[in-house]
Amino acid sequence: AQSVSQHNHHVILSEAASLELGCNYSYGGTVNLFWYVQYPGQHLQLLLKYFSGDPLVKGIKGFEAEFIKSKFSFNLRKPSVQWSDTAEYFCAVNRVGNTGKLIFGQGTTLQVKP
Amino acid sequence: GAVVSQHPSWVICKSGTSVKIECRSLDFQATTMFWYRQFPKQSLMLMATSNEGSKATYEQGVEKDKFLINHASLTLSTLTVTSAHPEDSSFYICSASVNTEAFFGQGTRLTVV
Repeated sequence: AQSVSQHNHHVILSEAASLELGCNYSYGGTVNLFWYVQYPGQHLQLLLKYFSGDPLVKGIKGFEAEFIKSKFSFNLRKPSVQWSDTAEYFCAVNRVGNTGKLIFGQGTTLQVKP
Repeated sequence: GAVVSQHPSWVICKSGTSVKIECRSLDFQATTMFWYRQFPKQSLMLMATSNEGSKATYEQGVEKDKFLINHASLTLSTLTVTSAHPEDSSFYICSASVNTEAFFGQGTRLTVV
């Protein structure tokens, strides 16, 4: 069965700390990978995506993620978090060619203390 | 980016009544839209794929007679929760894709009392 697993459910960091959120997937075939962020009271927004090519992708707001095919992983990183990064983060996958039908991980709540 | 708008943002209804949620693509046409459900502290679960001019495709375990989907135009899909019960209380989110990116509505918080 297709699934996405996020390792951390709730992460608390101080400002300027480094962030890494784990994401592993189980999905047959070639996949596209995404990280979404949901700020309190707002829409889900795309942080970054991987379709092909360089496995290290850079997104908005200083986030990046690395696709490691052998580990079925797509971990999200940021060298130095800010208080404004406090949000819910979702990893998601879909099958190549089927952009809209996403399988989401459980989500990680990130709380950044000022 | 493209804008997807949901209405209402929140709704409270009595058990046994039906509730309609609208999802509109404001600045693009969407032949396909997707409906998700999010329980508290949990992830988004795909409920169904809404296809303009044809029947929706439901994910396994989703009752199609309970969650009626209509996609009558290229900019509007509706989800009707029929004979709502408290267990239907949840956060419902729609999305539509433009090129390779999915855009999400702001969600609708449904509370059934």
